[in-house]
Amino acid sequence: KQEVTQIPAALSVPEGENLVLNCSFTDSAIYNLQWFRQDPGKGLTSLLLIQSSQREQTSGRLNASLDKSSGRSTLYIAASQPGDSATYLCAVVFSGGYNKLIFGAGTRLAVHP
Amino acid sequence: GAVVSQHPSRVICKSGTSVKIECRSLDFQATTMFWYRQFPKQSLMLMATSNEGSKATYEQGVEKDKFLINHASLTLSTLTVTSAHPEDSSFYICSAALVGGPYNEQFFGPGTRLTVL
Repeated sequence: KQEVTQIPAALSVPEGENLVLNCSFTDSAIYNLQWFRQDPGKGLTSLLLIQSSQREQTSGRLNASLDKSSGRSTLYIAASQPGDSATYLCAVVFSGGYNKLIFGAGTRLAVHP
Repeated sequence: GAVVSQHPSRVICKSGTSVKIECRSLDFQATTMFWYRQFPKQSLMLMATSNEGSKATYEQGVEKDKFLINHASLTLSTLTVTSAHPEDSSFYICSAALVGGPYNEQFFGPGTRLTVL
């Protein structure tokens, strides 16, 4: 079964820390992987999209890496801010998945001043 | 660009009524739209894949007669929850796939909170 797992489930840190959120997937044959942010009661905001041929993507203070062989992706958040507090979701389109995104359960991040 | 809207954002209805949720891609054409359901503090679960001009493909365990999906145009898909019951209360989110480019990225709507009394 193709599954996506995220660790940790929740994280609380002081402002300014550098963070690493982890995502693992059960099948290395993927089409792409996306990281999303979701604020409470809101929809999803796409943060980074990594194609299977890529190793990483960067946007501002965010960096996402992809290691297909080990079935892992990490989202690195530099110099965290209270405004980064949200749930971060990792989602994978597996090869042959017809654009179907399989989501992890998410990491709930709280950054306190 | 690549904005997806949903309407309504929030709906409260009585048990037994039907509720229609609209999903629109505002500035691009989407041949494929997806409908997800999210329970509190849980992740998104794909309900169905909606293709313009054809029948939707439902995920295992999703009742197609309960959740009617219509994708009448390249910018609009609707989800109708028929004879809604309290257990249908949930957060429903749609997404639209930006096809035609090198990457089939999905863009998500803001979601619709359904509460069935």
